[in-house]
Amino acid sequence: KAGVTQTPRYLIKTRGQQVTLSCSPISGHRSVSWYQQTPGQGLQFLFEYFSETQRNKGNFPGRFSGRQFSNSRSEMNVSTLELGDSALYLCASSFSNEQFFGPGTRLTVL
Amino acid sequence: GENVEQHPSTLSVQEGDSAVIKCTYSDSASNYFPWYKQELGKRPQLIIDIRSNVGEKKDQRIAVTLNKTAKHFSLHITETQPEDSAVYFCAASRGGSYIPTFGRGTSLIVHP
Repeated sequence: KAGVTQTPRYLIKTRGQQVTLSCSPISGHRSVSWYQQTPGQGLQFLFEYFSETQRNKGNFPGRFSGRQFSNSRSEMNVSTLELGDSALYLCASSFSNEQFFGPGTRLTVL
Repeated sequence: GENVEQHPSTLSVQEGDSAVIKCTYSDSASNYFPWYKQELGKRPQLIIDIRSNVGEKKDQRIAVTLNKTAKHFSLHITETQPEDSAVYFCAASRGGSYIPTFGRGTSLIVHP
């Protein structure tokens, strides 16, 4: 099976702009989770989608949103970008307990 | 919610030594404890996991132990090699629809 894929891999934006990141899970996986990874902060959970519904949500402001499509592909959107949003954004798909991570999207906000 | 503490944040060892990374969790209902390895510039990958009905699990040079009473679990790497250098994350989960809570990670450096 093909692994989890994310696009784009790298992105540079300026403050105030918005960005949309995409994640395609492993075929058959209905759960997609998003994480923000910054140095020293580990993996911070953003939200999880299951069958097109947000099932779990972390402690991030409303500028961070997401959605999932009927084919389980997921997108996350960040509006009004801030410098502190610069990070590696990882998505992970799962069938049961184990999470399979994508390669991530490196977002730099200037 | 669940809270996972991981120590140490950095661990430096000589090749051939053993390395131990420890995690504690707060939710007594957690029953699934995975460990992920993230090499520089790469994605986290599951290296071993343990469920609450088991006290220890081994896979070649790595092993994980779980103490449910004390709510802590540990990763043990024996005969470390330079390619073991990476950031290791522990996590705890109730399973099912619950998302794992991750520790902050341990940067393991193995000196040749």
